[in-house]
Formats: sequence, structure tokens, C-alpha cells
Amino acid sequence: DSGVTQTPKHLITATGQRVTLRCSPRSGDLSVYWYQQSLDQGLQFLIQYYNGEERAKGNILERFSAQQFPDLHSELNLSSLELGDSALYFCASSVVTSGANVLTFGAGSRLTVL
Amino acid sequence: AQRVTQPEKLLSVFKGAPVELKCNYSYSGSPELFWYVQYSRQRLQLLLRHISRESIKGFTADLNKGETSFHLKKPFAQEEDSAMYYCALSGSNYQLIWGAGTKLIIKP
Repeated sequence: DSGVTQTPKHLITATGQRVTLRCSPRSGDLSVYWYQQSLDQGLQFLIQYYNGEERAKGNILERFSAQQFPDLHSELNLSSLELGDSALYFCASSVVTSGANVLTFGAGSRLTVL
Repeated sequence: AQRVTQPEKLLSVFKGAPVELKCNYSYSGSPELFWYVQYSRQRLQLLLRHISRESIKGFTADLNKGETSFHLKKPFAQEEDSAMYYCALSGSNYQLIWGAGTKLIIKP
């Protein structure tokens, strides 16, 4: 077990709906990252939080938002869902070791929008 | 601009043949480079990092600053090596820059 926990594992919903994905980082890791992985786009960085504060933003749509709570767990909210949002959403947490950032990934949440 | 390029989307080799997954980078400072692997239906996991100079599952990668490359190599491919491989760069602000990934298929 990598220590990064994501729920739910699978989610099927309809267009226009809103979903929330949850991530608990590995114990002691302060940074949380969200990634989207789809067949045609590969691995896309969405957003990073560090100790509750937004640290970096990637290709995150305005319909998507995230936050990191005081207990360091994070949630990714996806709203007004479209068919193209169907993807695997990964959360990762990190610790800086030997001057570099090493990520530990969760198992992912597979979202299917019908 | 900071960039990681994996020129091959798909690489298919026979079992027992040598494997080389290419990774080139563009970065002005001294980067830290990584290879992550994703086996079928599993999470991404760190395979190796250049600073460790270690061999994991028979794979090695050498940082070539002159050619700005960090190619992943294995002398004899095994079927269990079939996976998606991502090269990533960690810059001075610890942000990770990812390549597009290479799908490696090992044919029996």
C-alpha cells in the first residue's frame, strides 16, 4: 500500500452532474497533486496544494476546483460534467528528499460520464 | 522553456531484446530526472531517479547533460516490463514536468 488513498475507485454519472473525488495523502506528506489521465491526453497536471494553500495550477478547467483541508486531505470537485471529462483522476502526495520532489500516487478514481 | 520530450508514443520489442526508452529535456538549471512506470490497471510508481544511480528491475538511466537526455535502458526485455513509462523532471521550484509517456509492449 502506497499510503495515498483515493475514493471512490469508480464513479459513473451523467452529463451536467457534479462529483467530488477525495484524496488522503501519505502520512507526513504536506503536498497533494491532482492529475487527469485520459487515453488521448496522457497525464495532465491539474493542481497542487501544499499545507492547505494552492501552490501551482496546471491545465485545470474552470468547472473544476479543489481544496486541501487542515487535516491535509484534499477534494477535487468536477461540475457541469461533459463526456470528455471521463478519465482516470490521480492524486499524489510528495515529500522533498535529497533536494527533489518524489511523488507517491494513489490508485486513481475512474470517472465515466454518460 | 522547460520541457520533457518522449518521442515515442509506442515502443514494441521482442522478449530478450534490448530496450531503450528515450527522454530528452529542456531546462536551464540542474534538473533532477525521474522515470515513473504504470503497469496495467495499477498506479504510477517511481521506477528510478538519476541521483540514485541505481538499477531497478534491470533498468538503468544515465543523465547526459551534453545531449540533455535521460534514456531508460534494459539489456534484455521481459514480458512483465510491458507498461506505460513516463519521464519527469523536477526543477528548482520542485515542480514536476512530465513527458507524454511511452507505452512499452514486450512481444513473446
